[in-house]
Formats: sequence, C-alpha cells, structure tokens
Amino acid sequence: EIVLTQSPGTLSLSPGERATLSCRASQSVSSSYLAWYQRKPGQAPRLLIYGASSRAAGIPDRFSGSGSGTDFTLTISRLEPEDFAVYYCQQYGSSPLTFGGGTKVEIK
Amino acid sequence: QVQLQQSGPGLVKPSQTLSLTCAISGDSVSSNSVAWNWIRQSPSRGLEWLGRTYYRSKWYNDYAESVKSRITINPDTSKNQFSLQLNSVTPEDTAVYYCARMTPVTTWGWFDPWGQGTLVTVSS
Repeated sequence: EIVLTQSPGTLSLSPGERATLSCRASQSVSSSYLAWYQRKPGQAPRLLIYGASSRAAGIPDRFSGSGSGTDFTLTISRLEPEDFAVYYCQQYGSSPLTFGGGTKVEIK
Repeated sequence: QVQLQQSGPGLVKPSQTLSLTCAISGDSVSSNSVAWNWIRQSPSRGLEWLGRTYYRSKWYNDYAESVKSRITINPDTSKNQFSLQLNSVTPEDTAVYYCARMTPVTTWGWFDPWGQGTLVTVSS
C-alpha cells in the first residue's frame, strides 16, 4: 500500500501569499496518477488537480500541481479568502488507492 | 452538471446495518465510463475508500479489504441511484460517509463530484 504523507500539517498564511503544500509517497506513484482535493467545513471535497498537474474544470489558474515519482506539490499562487480550507492528495496508480492525511491552510 | 444527493439515517445502533443512498442527477448509474463509490472519513482513519459499483456490459463491484466481509454496494437503475450497506457496525464505523463518482484511468481514478456527506454515528 502506498502511504501518502502531507506536510506541513497546518500552514498559516495571509491572503495574497503563496501556499506550497507537499505530498510525499512511500513508493513511486505510477504515471503521476495523483489528485488534489479541497475541503471546506460542511462541504463536499472538491477536485482541484488530477494527473499531478491537470486542473479540473472550473478551477482557477492560481492552483497548480507539479511533481512525479514520490514527491508532489500543490501551489496556490496568491491566496484568496475562499482558499482557506483543508487539502488532500490521493494516488490512483496502484491498489489500494489511498489518501494523504491533509494540510490545513489557515488565516494567519 | 453532475450532482450527487445522499440520504440515510445519521444514527445506527451497534451490530445493526448502516444504509445510505446516493441519488445521481446529470449522469447515469449505468454509464460505462465511470464508477460509483463510497468513501468515509474519520479522525482515526482519515479518508478511506470503501468500495464501488460500475457497469461494463454487466455489473461489477470492488470492495476495500478492511470492510469486504460486511459491505454491499448496489445500483438501482430504476431510480438512478446506488446504495451502501455496511453490516455489523461498531463505534469504529462512526464517520462522515461520502458518495463520489470516479473517472477511471486504467483500474482506478480520481473522484469528482462528491456527495454532501452524511455523518453516521454508531451508538446505542
């Protein structure tokens, strides 16, 4: 089973700042089959990125994904007030599919 | 626009069966290009994929090893929905349960969209 470790656990930033979130896999994720999700309190998770770097429909271009192998990054170029939330990565390259533990982006 | 609407009780007694339904709009449970999934989230286990149902000329199911002996996911084509049944629940099954559509790439894929989530508490 591929274990996904997200860091940091919490990121305290101000609106307008850049956020860099890490997702590290215990084994190589084949074909960069990695997705990122955003979850706000009381809401369903929302797909942001799939295939490590492809933005889902309707996702603003301030969100970008990068990486391959075991190291992946979600970058939010300039934080908007609505971006403060919890972010999760998920790998779908091998069975069983697994999720990371999440990074909370909070207002500083 | 695909939307998933969950329904079902928020409180289940230990040893009983947890039952949830996910109604689909904007897509078909019988689509041969996606899969319909249940996922749960708890503080102790994080996000955990439970299982899926999908149609590829016939119906298939896949289940997580952790719940394989207790879980059933069924499609209902007449109502365009799918359901989750989890038997013999314990307090460890207390979690927020989500339904979600998977777009598969080879065997697995990403989830989009998700249902609104249902907090299910297992308690007497």
